[in-house]
Amino acid sequence: GAGVSQSPSNKVTEKGKDVELRCDPISGHTALYWYRQRLGQGLEFLIYFQGNSAPDKSGLPSDRFSAERTGESVSTLTIQRTQQEDSAVYLCASSSSEVGIQYFGPGTRLTVT
Amino acid sequence: RKEVEQDPGPFNVPEGATVAFNCTYSNSASQSFFWYRQDCRKEPKLLMSVYSSGNEDGRFTAQLNRASQYISLLIRDSKLSDSATYLCVVRTGTASKLTFGTGTRLQVTL
Repeated sequence: GAGVSQSPSNKVTEKGKDVELRCDPISGHTALYWYRQRLGQGLEFLIYFQGNSAPDKSGLPSDRFSAERTGESVSTLTIQRTQQEDSAVYLCASSSSEVGIQYFGPGTRLTVT
Repeated sequence: RKEVEQDPGPFNVPEGATVAFNCTYSNSASQSFFWYRQDCRKEPKLLMSVYSSGNEDGRFTAQLNRASQYISLLIRDSKLSDSATYLCVVRTGTASKLTFGTGTRLQVTL
């Protein structure tokens, strides 16, 4: 079946512009996660959606970052007024009730110039 | 102290060698443990879960030591294709949120 998909795969933007990154989770997966991975670094948790519960936003680095999820499907991560330090790969993952098994999308590579 | 700590490596080993990685976690209430693998410029993928009794999957063996709060991964008969970064992953609490270590890089050479 289809895995997690993300778009765009690459995004180059100018400093100060807003960007939207999209994630399509595996159908039926109730949980969805966003991570950031800077070059040569580990995964940094950003936000987590579980069903209809309030999202866990504890990892968002600033108020320039926000995310939404429509029901149990598509999610968008929005970064406003991008800065050069926002350059990274943004990974989305989804999971079903089998706790701990997260399936990752291929990521969006964001470059802020 | 980081929640999950790993030696970043790199571990450079010849084909056929046995190599072991350790990982320590800080929260004694952590409940689930995993090893994920991440190839260069690719997304992480689940390698195996880690059970209290230890578990094996082909050439890979995972162990959990709750008393010392560490997890290990042993790879026997290393292949070139094993070259990747191995991420130690821990779940703490009832939510399914995971904490990832920064990874240990393995390079298997001829």
